[in-house]
This record gives sequence, structure tokens and C-alpha cells, in this order.
Amino acid sequence: EAGVTQFPSHSVIEKGQTVTLRCDPISGHDNLYWYRRVMGKEIKFLLHFVKESKQDESGMPNNRFLAERTGGTYSTLKVQPAELEDSGVYFCASSQEGGPVYGYTFGSGTRLTVV
Amino acid sequence: QKEVEQDPGPLSVPEGAIVSLNCTYSNSAFQYFMWYRQYSRKGPELLMYTYSSGNKEDGRFTAQVDKSSKYISLFIRDSQPSDSATYLCAMSEPGGFKTIFGAGTRLFVKA
Repeated sequence: EAGVTQFPSHSVIEKGQTVTLRCDPISGHDNLYWYRRVMGKEIKFLLHFVKESKQDESGMPNNRFLAERTGGTYSTLKVQPAELEDSGVYFCASSQEGGPVYGYTFGSGTRLTVV
Repeated sequence: QKEVEQDPGPLSVPEGAIVSLNCTYSNSAFQYFMWYRQYSRKGPELLMYTYSSGNKEDGRFTAQVDKSSKYISLFIRDSQPSDSATYLCAMSEPGGFKTIFGAGTRLFVKA
């Protein structure tokens, strides 16, 4: 079974530009999560999809971040315009059942650097 | 105050040593307690989870939860160089979908 795939693996953009991160979850996993780790900080929850619906987006930092999951398959996370503090590693995870104890599978992350 | 506190280390031990990793937390509503392992340039991988208080053992790994002290531990017996990684504690509330992570402890096991 293919794992959670994220791309790009790295992205370096200038402040003010737009970047779109993509996550392909494990096939059949209805639950998809985005997390982020900024330098020196903990991994923090951004949002949770169940199929194509946003279940919880309480962790989204501000309205420069937009997540979508059209058709309940892959998801994108767009940052527009990017700011320096958006630099960090963005992780996507998916699970078949709801809730973290059923075993998230994380992707390897997208390392975003805003210069 | 952070919800979850974890010493970032690094922690360096010789091969074969017993490793003790710990976290404290402040939210008494947490009921699910997890340990993730993360290798460099990879995503976190779930190692173990425990519901409420108690111990759970899986091979060389033992997870302990003491809810009265709001303290959780992960013990690694007979540590191996392949155990070198960052270990993250994580917690969630019942019915919750979001996981709260500790900062992670970097572990180095020297051959």
C-alpha cells in the first residue's frame, strides 16, 4: 500500500508569493489532517477533513491559508501571500477511522522556506 | 504555559542502555496518550498508544501513563543505534480528532 505522499518535498519562495502544497492520502482514508512544525516549536494541528468536508479548521493561523479537498481525495494547502513566519515543515496525515489513536499515517512533509 | 512539555534533549546513550523519555501535560481532559518516532526528513510514525492510566508493553518499548501526576513515559530497553531518532509524545481528548504534540526529544544511541 502506498503511503501518504506530499509534494513538493521542499519549496523556497519569496515573501509575498503564493505556494500550494499537495497531499495524496492513503487510498480509502476518509480522514485527512494538516499539521505544521515551525522552527523550534511543536508540531501543531491546522485542520481536519472528513472526505471533502472541513471538520475542524481551528488551527489555521489566518486567512492567508486555504485548504481544499475536492472530491474527497487529495488535498491542497495554499498560502497566499506567504510571510516569513510561515516557514516550517507542513505535514499531512490520513487515517481510515476517525481520531488519532486509530493510527495516523504521516507523509514526509513539505519543507517551506519563505525568504 | 504549554499544554505538553517535553525536554528536547539531545539524549545520548550507549548501545544496550535503558532509555527513559518523559512528558508532562496540563490538560486533565487528555485520555489518549501516544508516542511517535520520527527519523530525519521523515514524518512521525506512531509507536504506541495508551488509553487513560497504566502501562503498555510492545517488545522493547514500554509506555506508562500516570494521570494523577499528569506524567507519561516511554522506556526503551536494550537500545540500538537504529533507535536513534526524535521521539514525540502526543495526546488527545476523547472524541477529539486533533493531536497535541510535545516538542520531541532527540535520542542518539552510540554503537
